Formats: sequence, C-alpha cells, structure tokens
Amino acid sequence: AQSVAQPEDQVNVAEGNPLTVKCTYSVSGNPYLFWYVQYPNRGLQFLLKYITGDNLVKGSYGFEAEFNKSQTSFHLKKPSALVSDSALYFCAVRDDTGTASKLTFGTGTRLQVTL
Amino acid sequence: DTAVSQTPKYLVTQMGNDKSIKCEQNLGHDTMYWYKQDSKKFLKIMFSYNNKELIINETVPNRFSPKSPDKAHLNLHINSLELGDSAVYFCASSRNRGRGVPGELFFGEGSRLTVL
Repeated sequence: AQSVAQPEDQVNVAEGNPLTVKCTYSVSGNPYLFWYVQYPNRGLQFLLKYITGDNLVKGSYGFEAEFNKSQTSFHLKKPSALVSDSALYFCAVRDDTGTASKLTFGTGTRLQVTL
Repeated sequence: DTAVSQTPKYLVTQMGNDKSIKCEQNLGHDTMYWYKQDSKKFLKIMFSYNNKELIINETVPNRFSPKSPDKAHLNLHINSLELGDSAVYFCASSRNRGRGVPGELFFGEGSRLTVL
C-alpha cells in the first residue's frame, strides 16, 4: 500500500521566518501527493497537489511544496510564516492499490507560529 | 452556501445507543467518503461511495453501516455504540472515483461523537 510519513509532530517557527513541514512518501508507481490544512474544529482544506510536471508546486495561502524523487520527499514550505498559519497539516498520497482510489493521510504535523 | 455539510456537528450519547450522521454535498461530485479522526488526530478512511455504489469498505466493525440514497448524500448509521467510537467523523466528496486524474477531496466540518 502507498503511504506517507510526517516525522515531526510539531514545528515551531517565528512569524516572518520561513517554514518547512516535512513529508516523505513510499509508493509503487507514480506518486500523487497532496497537502491539506486543518484549523481547530474545522474540516480539512486542500492546499496543493503534485501529479506530474514541475517539482515545485504552488498552492493556496502562499504555500508551496517541493517534490524530490531521489529523496522521496514532498516538503511543504512557505517563505514567511504568519501567526494565522498555525494549524494541523496533513500530507496525503493517493492509493490505488485497493478496489478504488482513496487518499491515505500522514499522522499530521502541528505548526505553531509565534510573534 | 456550504459545499459539504454534515449534521449533527456534535453528538453526545450513551453506550449501546444507535445514532446516525448525515452528509450532503452540493458540488455535483459523484464520490463521497467517510473518514474517522481519532483523539490523536489520525485520519482513517472508512467507506466510499460512487454514484450510490459502495466502492471502499475498510476494516470497520459491521455496527457501522453507510447508506447513500443518491450521489449527493451519504449517511452513516452506528449501532450499539461503544466508548471507542468516540471520534470526529468527516464526510468528504470528490469529482472522480479513481483511476483518472486524481482530484482533491472537499471535507465537511466534521461531526464530533462522544460516547459516555
């Protein structure tokens, strides 16, 4: 089965500094990778996806992610963090190995941005 | 106008009871999902329907029974509730069912179930 791993439970960064939230993947075949954000007591919101093409994917709210095939990584980045970016971030991979396609999520990384 | 809406948002009930959660999407999508998020925030898929057909049924106790009366609605009925069923249940929808270009999921706000 396809899977993603998020090695950090929490990432702390000061407002204005760059942020990185890490994700590595394990897939057979071409990876279809996603990032979602969850604000407190809310559902998940789509940020961006990598299907094919440019390794740098731009998404919502100024976020971007870099696909690195040799390192099997898909790290989420933002050049300048905002306090309002504080939330739970999930990496996900599309898994086609079963009877139908589904998204399998990582364990989530809590991003805390402080003043 | 909410794209994926779930009711109720909060549900507190006793062990052994039966409860239902309803989900509706107005995006015109043909695939809907139920995900469970536990207290550690782990998200796990439970079921998926495509045009009223069950296409994903993960290892879930058969006390959980999904029903899709039409492609815009997906309900979840839970019999004989147990303490371990306490979680947030998310409904989601997507445009495509699978092997084509993968689309994003649109999530509802979640239904927090607490079993006492």
